[in-house]
Amino acid sequence: QLQLQESGPGLVKPSGTLFLTCSVSGGSISGSRYYWGWVRQPPGKGLQWIGGIYYSGSPYYNPSLKSRVTISVDTSRNQFSLRLGSVTAADTAVYYCVRHFDWFDPWGQGTLVTVSS
Amino acid sequence: EIVMTQSPATLSVSPGDRAALSCRASQSVGSNLAWYQQKPGQGPRLLIYGASTRATGVPARFSGSGSGTEFILTISSLQSEDFAVYYCQHYNNWPPWTFGQGTKVEIK
Repeated sequence: QLQLQESGPGLVKPSGTLFLTCSVSGGSISGSRYYWGWVRQPPGKGLQWIGGIYYSGSPYYNPSLKSRVTISVDTSRNQFSLRLGSVTAADTAVYYCVRHFDWFDPWGQGTLVTVSS
Repeated sequence: EIVMTQSPATLSVSPGDRAALSCRASQSVGSNLAWYQQKPGQGPRLLIYGASTRATGVPARFSGSGSGTEFILTISSLQSEDFAVYYCQHYNNWPPWTFGQGTKVEIK
């Protein structure tokens, strides 16, 4: 059974960079037809797709975040990562890593990242 | 960007009753629509894709219908474990993939 697990700092300072990693177990990122992506959910709010990457390294980003986002993949470690720069309080959210092509399945359990000084 | 609008924001239902949740797209998405269930403290769970196909392990009391711009998720007889927030999501003309704002199904 494919499982995804997020990891990274839970607190980031304003104007700093958020960095999260997703570890994939129970399956391989390499050769997969799927995208490996990130979705976030501000406290008490809905879901926003951030971006996704194919195992070969072709990323797609949400246009609203594109200037600040980088998603990368490390097939040797079966991991992919999210980097979000110039963060503000509006970036405070639970960040989920996901596998997707059209729909999103499965999801990681999520990790709360708070932007605060 | 395709905007997904869900209604109502909150639905109060008694256990055993039927619930119907609505999702509207700002432009046609064909049958390229998925539904998710999210319980407190958990990541969303895929319920329906292709507007009407249940994901693996999803009980038959969950059904999806619609195409184009209007979609419905029906829960035929609500069980205690079904009280949660439900989201729709399109996958037509991506990126971006976008979600509705969610409908909370609460106990009446």
